[in-house]
Amino acid sequence: SQTIHQWPATLVQPVGSPLSLECTVEGTSNPNLYWYRQAAGRGLQLLFYSVGIGQISSEVPQNLSASRPQDRQFILSSKKLLLSDSGFYLCAFTGLAQETQYFGPGTRLLVL
Amino acid sequence: DQQVKQNSPSLSVQEGRISILNCDYTNSMFDYFLWYKKYPAEGPTFLISISSIKDKNEDGRFTVFLNKSAKHLSLHIVPSQPGDSAVYFCAASEGGTYKYIFGTGTRLKVLA
Repeated sequence: SQTIHQWPATLVQPVGSPLSLECTVEGTSNPNLYWYRQAAGRGLQLLFYSVGIGQISSEVPQNLSASRPQDRQFILSSKKLLLSDSGFYLCAFTGLAQETQYFGPGTRLLVL
Repeated sequence: DQQVKQNSPSLSVQEGRISILNCDYTNSMFDYFLWYKKYPAEGPTFLISISSIKDKNEDGRFTVFLNKSAKHLSLHIVPSQPGDSAVYFCAASEGGTYKYIFGTGTRLKVLA
């Protein structure tokens, strides 16, 4: 079966520190991978998506970057966090059917 | 611009009654629509989807209706249960774009 993992579950970081959130998918090959952010009380904002290794599309210019070093691994990074980077970060994938999108458990990031 | 809109931020329904959640979209090229349920601090869970070639899809207590001419879809939950209390997101996708556009969510509260 297809599963998606994200870690860490919760992260508290000081302003100006770096960030690395990891997402891995199991049970499918060549998935499309996505990073979303949900700010407090708001909807899901698409940040990045990837249709293959090394292929990253950015939806919103910002302080974050994404990388896909392996087929089923997607990493969200920042060199220097801002207060506005706080939020709930969700990784998602679409499998072979490439229709339904499935989400990971999310990472709650608090930048202080 | 918000291509997918959920104009009701919240909805309260008595247990056993029908819950109707609404979603409007502006892009006529969207051809696949999904509903997700989300609890706090968790990733969204896929509920039900519908392709633009259909106008209704049913799965147990959940039914999604699509009105393409009105660019409107709705999720019906009947009978509503307290465990249905959550935030519900609709999402839309245009074939070949790999992107999913989400609404801002509707918080459903089912009262016992």
